Amino acid sequence: GAVVSQHPSRVICKSGTSVKIECRSLDFQATTMFWYRQFPKQSLMLMATSNEGSKATYEQGVEKDKFLINHASLTLSTLTVTSAHPEDSSFYICSASRPGLAGHDNEQFFGPGTRLTVL
Amino acid sequence: AQTVTQSQPEMSVQEAETVTLSCTYDTSESDYYLFWYKQPPSRQMILVIRQEAYKQQNATENRFSVNFQKAAKSFSLKISDSQLGDAAMYFCAYRRANSGYALNFGKGTSLLVTP
Repeated sequence: GAVVSQHPSRVICKSGTSVKIECRSLDFQATTMFWYRQFPKQSLMLMATSNEGSKATYEQGVEKDKFLINHASLTLSTLTVTSAHPEDSSFYICSASRPGLAGHDNEQFFGPGTRLTVL
Repeated sequence: AQTVTQSQPEMSVQEAETVTLSCTYDTSESDYYLFWYKQPPSRQMILVIRQEAYKQQNATENRFSVNFQKAAKSFSLKISDSQLGDAAMYFCAYRRANSGYALNFGKGTSLLVTP
């Protein structure tokens, strides 16, 4: 199967610091990676779409200067929350997309998520 | 923009019984994919079932099946012989057909399974 990892799984930081979250596709090359945010008892909201070697496409309302996304290789995308504040506390989930089996469109596989707490 | 609506914030089912979770969506596209994802307390997203819009036949995966009504833009999930391990949040999701598009999720339905 396809495995996507995220690191760290949990992070606690002080207000004003920056936090980097890594998303890796372990056994396949991901054509596209996606970053979602999920607040407690809410749904997943897309933050940005990331393609290897190009700038990320951010959803409306997501500050690209605050949430820096780097997709340097086909197996790694990083999300950096700059100058984090308590309202940035959330669950961040990445997914990686790869071409599907014959007859199927691309498939997406989710990482286990990262819980960010900003004090 | 495509919207996905799950009108049941919470549902409850007794073990071994059958439950149906509702989902409707709005789109102007003719080709797309629909999904049901399960999110247990661990928060890991688990794909339950997927349906290609061009296929008329309803998808089935063991105890999970869907009722896909394209004209009505309805995509319900039926869980048969419910088990305690089925308790989780269930999200309905839509995705445009071409590669590179993200999933658009509904608000979710919390499923409780009682012994």
